[in-house]
Amino acid sequence: RKEVEQDPGPFNVPEGATVAFNCTYSNSASQSFFWYRQDCRKEPKLLMSVYSSGNEDGRFTAQLNRASQYISLLIRDSKLSDSATYLCVVSRRQSSASKIIFGSGTRLSIRP
Amino acid sequence: NAGVTQTPKFRILKIGQSMTLQCTQDMNHNYMYWYRQDPGMGLKLIYYSVGAGITDKGEVPNGYNVSRSTTEDFPLRLELAAPSQTSVYFCASSLSDGSNEKLFFGSGTQLSVL
Repeated sequence: RKEVEQDPGPFNVPEGATVAFNCTYSNSASQSFFWYRQDCRKEPKLLMSVYSSGNEDGRFTAQLNRASQYISLLIRDSKLSDSATYLCVVSRRQSSASKIIFGSGTRLSIRP
Repeated sequence: NAGVTQTPKFRILKIGQSMTLQCTQDMNHNYMYWYRQDPGMGLKLIYYSVGAGITDKGEVPNGYNVSRSTTEDFPLRLELAAPSQTSVYFCASSLSDGSNEKLFFGSGTQLSVL
């Protein structure tokens, strides 16, 4: 079983729709959580960190549920430019350094 | 401010050939990483470095070597290329431990081994 699991999608939604992704992680020692965005054939870029209290950045809202070990990303009023792959990223301490684990990503396609 | 710069962007190797993927960053970051990304998969850590002169293995180090002689540079060496090393390679850096720090990625190297 993968340590970080995501629905690969693709999610194909109309412009203006609200879309939500979930991500689950298996190691309860995980400490930090992030969503990265990756455009086709490009490098990943940090979208937002995820906190237990939930956090919002414009149209994007991220939530963390430690008890159930899942992370969510909600995109409201989706734009064509939101089309990308969204990577769930989890980190935890491992000996002297941290281990950062990337999910396989969820592909989102916004149609006009 | 260039950020993280990787070269080359594309490369085709024959089985058994060697090459070095270059990575340099101008942000004075201590931590640097090499990842590979296979189609439809997440990124897997090959090697990382917490500072000049210090390197350590990641999840998939076999077939690769690294060095970190300066803070800026973190080259990745493939000694005997194999088809299994066909992938997209990303170099990344962070100011401190990437568990709480944003990772800055280079634009990637598409490598094919035929």
